[in-house]
Amino acid sequence: GQNIDQPTEMTATEGAIVQINCTYQTSGFNGLFWYQQHAGEAPTFLSYNVLDGLEEKGRFSSFLSRSKGYSYLLLKELQMKDSASYLCAVRAEFSGGYNKLIFGAGTRLAVHP
Amino acid sequence: DVKVTQSSRYLVKRTGEKVFLECVQDMDHENMFWYRQDPGLGLRLIYFSYDVKMKEKGDIPEGYSVSREKKERFSLILESASTNQTSMYLCAHRTGVGNQPQHFGDGTRLSIL
Repeated sequence: GQNIDQPTEMTATEGAIVQINCTYQTSGFNGLFWYQQHAGEAPTFLSYNVLDGLEEKGRFSSFLSRSKGYSYLLLKELQMKDSASYLCAVRAEFSGGYNKLIFGAGTRLAVHP
Repeated sequence: DVKVTQSSRYLVKRTGEKVFLECVQDMDHENMFWYRQDPGLGLRLIYFSYDVKMKEKGDIPEGYSVSREKKERFSLILESASTNQTSMYLCAHRTGVGNQPQHFGDGTRLSIL
């Protein structure tokens, strides 16, 4: 079956660093996305990994280990506006040659002063 | 700027009604998707379309149908609404080329009474 796990909630302090983990068990793995979703808003794309290693994009970095079925999103210099849900999504190929995204339930991050 | 518009932010309907949710994108993208988002479950794929008049079932298609008569518009239809279809519905689209991310609309919060 397809399964994606991420913590339900996390809290952190403004200015700190936080790491949000995601583990997955899927067949036909074809990349992993991270999205940010503020309450009542659309998910917005943050990062994409398909090869092992770290992708850095400003204050946000994402890491992937395909052999371990593991990814993390690293947020540095936390700001209050980073309070949001963070969605891990695996892109998987299935029958017919189509790709689809399989989402984790999301991690709700609260940043405190 | 990528734009995808969903016809309503909030909608209240009664059990048994036929409900139409509309999604329009202005990027000339081939692929369009409908998800529902429920607490603790994440986003789940209902239907997707990779071209005009083409449609494929996602993970939870029961009770839903879709229509793609024009490239920019993808409609989700609840044939006979039931209370368990109360949810947040999100439309997304992406280009068919490469590993580009999906872009989401702001969602329609649908309540079935």
